[in-house]
Amino acid sequence: DGGITQSPKYLFRKEGQNVTLSCEQNLNHDAMYWYRQDPGQGLRLIYYSQIVNDFQKGDIAEGYSVSREKKESFPLTVTSAQKNPTAFYLCAAAPGANYGYTFGSGTRLTVV
Amino acid sequence: GIQVEQSPPDLILQEGANSTLRCNFSDSVNNLQWFHQNPWGQLINLFYIPSGTKQNGRLSATTVATERYSLLYISSSQTTDSGVYFCAVEPWRDSNYQLIWGAGTKLIIKP
Repeated sequence: DGGITQSPKYLFRKEGQNVTLSCEQNLNHDAMYWYRQDPGQGLRLIYYSQIVNDFQKGDIAEGYSVSREKKESFPLTVTSAQKNPTAFYLCAAAPGANYGYTFGSGTRLTVV
Repeated sequence: GIQVEQSPPDLILQEGANSTLRCNFSDSVNNLQWFHQNPWGQLINLFYIPSGTKQNGRLSATTVATERYSLLYISSSQTTDSGVYFCAVEPWRDSNYQLIWGAGTKLIIKP
């Protein structure tokens, strides 16, 4: 089955630690996106990548970093500089501009 | 920048009822999508519909690009239709290929 796999589903982080969220796709899509969702809110764009080895900041990139070394992989690192990282993180992919998005099932990150 | 407004914010219906959800946007768009987020957080793409009408089973959508709105119709609602419905658009200018999201319509279908 083609799709997007996010792991882990649940992640607990101590303050001051960096954590990396995985996003893998087998759809052969060029574009990939990371969103953050807080309870009862809509989605906010963290980073996106239209092509391998290139990525752009979204609206709330501070405290996050990404890489796009392979077409199928777009990991997100939540650094200690992110002051309020507890949220639901969603990864998406699309064939390119003007196409529908496919989302992964998300990772719930909690800072303890 | 472009504004995306969804209405109503909340909707409670009995199973079997029909509903219409609306998405208004303030500028021309290249891309408009409707999504359903289930209670477990999974986002499912319902329609990619920058213009025209599409149907998929009990769901259909219409976008009137010249009047800057889109409608999502749900017929014969089922409890599994509960969740939040989002509209997201990509403006035709200065978009950087980013989607702008509405705040969503929370739909509750009672058995």
